Amino acid sequence: GIQVEQSPPDLILQEGANSTLRCNFSDSVNNLQWFHQNPWGQLINLFYIPSGTKQNGRLSATTVATERYSLLYISSSQTTDSGVYFCAVSGSARQLTFGSGTQLTVLP
Amino acid sequence: NAGVTQTPKFQVLKTGQSMTLQCAQDMNHNSMYWYRQDPGMGLRLIYYSASEGTTDKGEVPNGYNVSRLNKREFSLRLESAAPSQTSVYFCASILFTGATNEKLFFGSGTQLSVL
Repeated sequence: GIQVEQSPPDLILQEGANSTLRCNFSDSVNNLQWFHQNPWGQLINLFYIPSGTKQNGRLSATTVATERYSLLYISSSQTTDSGVYFCAVSGSARQLTFGSGTQLTVLP
Repeated sequence: NAGVTQTPKFQVLKTGQSMTLQCAQDMNHNSMYWYRQDPGMGLRLIYYSASEGTTDKGEVPNGYNVSRLNKREFSLRLESAAPSQTSVYFCASILFTGATNEKLFFGSGTQLSVL
């Protein structure tokens, strides 16, 4: 199956700082999504982005499918951005595989 | 719409006991999934159902069985629980159509402890 690697595994920021999270994948994908897991364990879908660029407020994401990576940008981070960010991908099968996540801590 | 509903939210079992985790979605999704999440790790796929009437093994299927009861419901059964199955379990669903914006939606999770 497709392998998914996320980096960095941990990230600590001061409030107001910007950050970039990366997701590398090992094969062609037709579905790529970014999720945020909040401190209460709830998983929220941030972006569906198998290619191209999308923005939603302070968050944006870019996927370069030909080079097999995706980036999630968080600008002007807030303490509420803390949690774990996951990337998930699927290829020809309807099997969504998750990376191990980036643990983000935003300090006040 | 309730989205994806999982029950129970918490469960404690003794080794060897059996139980079924229930999952239902009301979004007319065709594909449903069961994942487990262990501390410090990502989500690992246990089983999935790409469409009604089909089920397939994921990365960690041993010790589990599933049933896609109908389009809405997808249950996960532990026949003889083991301490290694202590985890948080998530059900999820998605509508795969080949169109854009195919997003995965999650239930709120089940915290399972096996003593």
